[in-house]
Order: sequence, then structure tokens, then C-alpha cells
Amino acid sequence: DIQMTQSPSSVSASVGDRVTITCRASRGIAGYLAWYQQKPGKAPNLLIYVTSTLQSGVPSRFSGSGSGTNFTLTISSLQPEDFATYYCQQANTFLPLAFGGGTRVEIK
Amino acid sequence: QVQLVQSGPEVKKPGASVKVSCKASGYSFTNFGIHWVRQAPGQGPEWMGWSSSYSGNTHYAQKFQGRVTMTTDTSTSTVYMELRSLRSDDTAVYYCARDMATLTVFDYWGQGTPVTVSS
Repeated sequence: DIQMTQSPSSVSASVGDRVTITCRASRGIAGYLAWYQQKPGKAPNLLIYVTSTLQSGVPSRFSGSGSGTNFTLTISSLQPEDFATYYCQQANTFLPLAFGGGTRVEIK
Repeated sequence: QVQLVQSGPEVKKPGASVKVSCKASGYSFTNFGIHWVRQAPGQGPEWMGWSSSYSGNTHYAQKFQGRVTMTTDTSTSTVYMELRSLRSDDTAVYYCARDMATLTVFDYWGQGTPVTVSS
């Protein structure tokens, strides 16, 4: 199985801050990495897929990068609506599809 | 608009089965697969498996093999997920989610179905 490890597990930040979240796969996933945002009581919402492609309607302050086993989600200027939990997901193989443990972005 | 509407909350006793439905609308149903993802309280999402809306083929995570069945009714654009031999650690919110046809990422999700397993 592919394991997905996110860091940090939580981050405290202020509106306007730049926030970076890291996701590491236990083996190469050929760039098939997605990022989701989840707010309490709601389903996850797709932000980015195939490492860096922004889903339609997602603000451009969100960006993704990486290759091989190491990937990054960056929020360039944190907005009040961005306080949420973020998950990465490997989409390369059904063996199995796997999510990271999550990063909670909290208000400082 | 694309919608995935799931059945309501369930409370089950250990050892019982639960069957959750997911009715799709607003798109060509057979062009996209449906996946099931669950999320236990305070935990990250966990992928359970996939069913092809076109062929009915399925692929289950090994963890759930033998306990889960996913079925598709193309006449009503509805996918069902049945989980058997329920345990307390199956308590979670169960989501259906549509994939992006050529990518196994999830662009639309159902609202979630809470399943509580308790004696």
C-alpha cells in the first residue's frame, strides 16, 4: 500500500500569511496527487489535481507543486474562508487510493 | 447541476448490515465512476472502493474485501454500498463521490450519510 504523510498536522496563521503544507508519498505516484479542503460537517472539496492543476472555481491563491514523492500545497495569502482542514490524496493506483492524515489551518 | 444525494442517517447494532444509496443527477451517469469514502470522527477520509457506472465493475480496498458490495442501477442513476458484519469502528460518515472519468480524483461529493454502530 502507498502511505501518504502530511506535515504539519496543524498550523496557526493570520489572514494574509503564506501557508505551505507538505505531503509525502511512500513511493512515487507519477504526479497523480490531489488536494482537498474540508470544513466541519461538509464533504471534502477538490482544490488541485495532478499536482498543480487548479480545479474550476478555486481561487488562484491556491497552488500546488512537487514531483516524485514530495508535494506541496501553498496558500499565498490566507483568507478568512481558508481556515479549514486540508488533505492530500494519491490518485495513481487503486492499491489503494489513499489520503493523508490532514493539516488543520487555524486562526492565530 | 451535478448532484449526488445520499440516503439518511443509520443506526445499527454490531453484526448488522447497512445499505447506503447515492442518487446522481445533472450529468451523463455512465460516463463517470462512483467511489465510496468514509470518515470516522476526527479522522481523515478512507477510500473504500469504486464502481463503474458504465459496466458495473467494482474494485474494493483490500481492507473491506468480503464485507462490502457496491451495486449500480443505471435505470435510476443510483449506486448502492452495502457493508456487512458491522463493528463499532465502522461508525463514520459515508460519502459517495464522482471521479473525473480519466482521473481517480473526486470532483463532486454526496452530502454524507452518518452511520452509527452501537449496541
